[in-house]
Amino acid sequence: AQKITQTQPGMFVQEKEAVTLDCTYDTSDQSYGLFWYKQPSSGEMIFLIYQGSYDEQNATEGRYSLNFQKARKSANLVISASQLGDSAMYFCAMREVPNDYKLSFGAGTTVTVRA
Amino acid sequence: GAVVSQHPSWVICKSGTSVKIECRSLDFQATTMFWYRQFPKQSLMLMATSNEGSKATYEQGVEKDKFLINHASLTLSTLTVTSAHPEDSSFYICSTEGLAGFEQYFGPGTRLTVT
Repeated sequence: AQKITQTQPGMFVQEKEAVTLDCTYDTSDQSYGLFWYKQPSSGEMIFLIYQGSYDEQNATEGRYSLNFQKARKSANLVISASQLGDSAMYFCAMREVPNDYKLSFGAGTTVTVRA
Repeated sequence: GAVVSQHPSWVICKSGTSVKIECRSLDFQATTMFWYRQFPKQSLMLMATSNEGSKATYEQGVEKDKFLINHASLTLSTLTVTSAHPEDSSFYICSTEGLAGFEQYFGPGTRLTVT
């Protein structure tokens, strides 16, 4: 079964607007971590934000925030004030503690920011 | 600055030959490294977990005799694609767990093309 589901293959967003990327996950563990990575066309994986399963507050890092809804098992990424440089593929990933630090990745969402 | 490097960044080889890809952690010792493969427009798929001083653990469906992994030191893991075929053409990325214990640092990736 898919552990991480990203249902949006591609999205367009206008520059300076906000965009929300969906991510739902499946785990029976109580302790896990959720990540978002950005992958531009160069291929490098850029860490954006992390949310631990026990964290009470939603994680934020600059223009990135994670909307963590534990009961619904969702961890949506919100990018505020989109910039042209935000155009990239975005991956949601989960690490389950009993799984030895392995990351399970979603299929990814391609974001294209329009001027 | 980058904490994980990969070499080479891209390589073209002929069918039937072997190719070695190096993954180095630059700033710290990494007892565990991960190797991923990514086909165009697709997600990262974990191939194997490389453990310093012991045999690698391969994911289901990954041929261990074809993808040889050697983690000879705390800063270096190598992936050798043996008897490469065009279907092995892909983007190979390594990563290592971070010092804080939750994040993973990714290398810049190696693009392999087999002709």
